[in-house]
Parts: sequence; C-alpha cells; structure tokens
Amino acid sequence: QVQLQQSGPGLVKPSQTLSLTCAVSGDSVSSNRAAWIWIRQSPSRGLEWLGRTYYRSKWYTEYAVSVKSRIVINADTSKNHFSLQLKSVTPEDTAVYYCSRDDSGVYYYFDSWGQGTLVTVSS
Amino acid sequence: SYDLTQPPSVSVSPGQTASITCSGDDLGSKYTSWYQQKPGQSPVLVIYQDDKRPSGIPERFSGSNSGNTATLTISGTQAMDEADYYCQAWDSDTFYVFGSGTKVTVL
Repeated sequence: QVQLQQSGPGLVKPSQTLSLTCAVSGDSVSSNRAAWIWIRQSPSRGLEWLGRTYYRSKWYTEYAVSVKSRIVINADTSKNHFSLQLKSVTPEDTAVYYCSRDDSGVYYYFDSWGQGTLVTVSS
Repeated sequence: SYDLTQPPSVSVSPGQTASITCSGDDLGSKYTSWYQQKPGQSPVLVIYQDDKRPSGIPERFSGSNSGNTATLTISGTQAMDEADYYCQAWDSDTFYVFGSGTKVTVL
C-alpha cells in the first residue's frame, strides 16, 4: 500500500517560490509504471492538475499550460521523494496542494493521495 | 482545452439512488474516474476505468460511460456517502481534467 507524506511551508510571500515535497513509501519514484503528480484545489479553480514526473528509462515531466512557465517538478531517487516548485507566486496560487500517484498505465487516474497542504500566499 | 461539466448539487433520501452526471465532448471514448471527497479530507478514488471499483469501495458505487456522459450511481445511499464527488478524464492536449464537482446531500 503506497503512502504519500507531504511537507513544506504553509505560508509563502508574494513573488517568492512555493516548495513542497512528497515522500513516497510502498513504491519507488523510479518505477517504470507510476507517474508522480501534483494537484491543487481552491474554491475558484476547483481541482487542478499541475504536472507530473515519471521514469521510463529516462525522466519525463509534463506541466499544465496554466503554470508551465513557473513550475518545476522533480524526483530524488536517493530519498524516494518528489518535489514541486512554483515560482513567482501570487495570492491566486493560494490553495490546498496534493501530491498523488497515477499507477494506472494508460487509464490515467489517481489511486493514492497525500494528506494535502494548505498554502497561503500573503505578505 | 477539454471541459467536464457536473451539476453543482444532488439531493437524495437515505436508501434511495443518487445519480451524478459528468458531461464532456465524446466523453464515452475516454476513460472516466470518480473521486469522493469529504470535508477536510483528500479525495478518494471510488470508480476507475468507467465502471471498476477499487478494493474497499462498497458495491453500492457503480459507474457507466457512453456518448457524452459518464454517470456515477450510488444505490441505497447512506448518510456516510454525503460528500463532494468529482469526475476526471484524460485528454491528450489538456492531460488530466477534473469536473467542477457535485455536492451530494443525503436528506
């Protein structure tokens, strides 16, 4: 049973970088089947997929168009975790951020979720 | 971009059937998943690949998908099923797409 444990600050100042980490247990971030996902949820935007990273003989990343210019997702195999960095944040980036896993192959769904981190962007 | 549309709310009496729809262009050609989210909790997968239930999800949850509409059905609805429900699909341009969510109230 995979478990995802999120960590990171709950308050970020405008124009700074939001950084969160998701520690994985019960699976490997370098699995050739799973993709490692970041999703956020806010009252104004609902559930929004932000991006994913996955390993298929080499690392791949894909990002949502809405954040593509500001986001970086990467994995650390030595720590078996993956991270989210969102740069130049504004109050509109205030949301609950979730890490998740897609282990479905070609069916594209999320079978495990982290506990969520409320990140508030405010000075 | 690809959009999924859900009704904002559905009300159901205990023991009755609740049906939640999710509409999108040619959605029947895509696999749809459904998530249940209770206040203050992370979403939980209740249906994947249109009609499959993960282990531990009660049999009263079922799904279907055809044409432009996917449907999550809760048969014999219980008070514990009161939650927000979100559909989700994959689009080759937009990647993972979520519906706007439906609040199920058990009256």
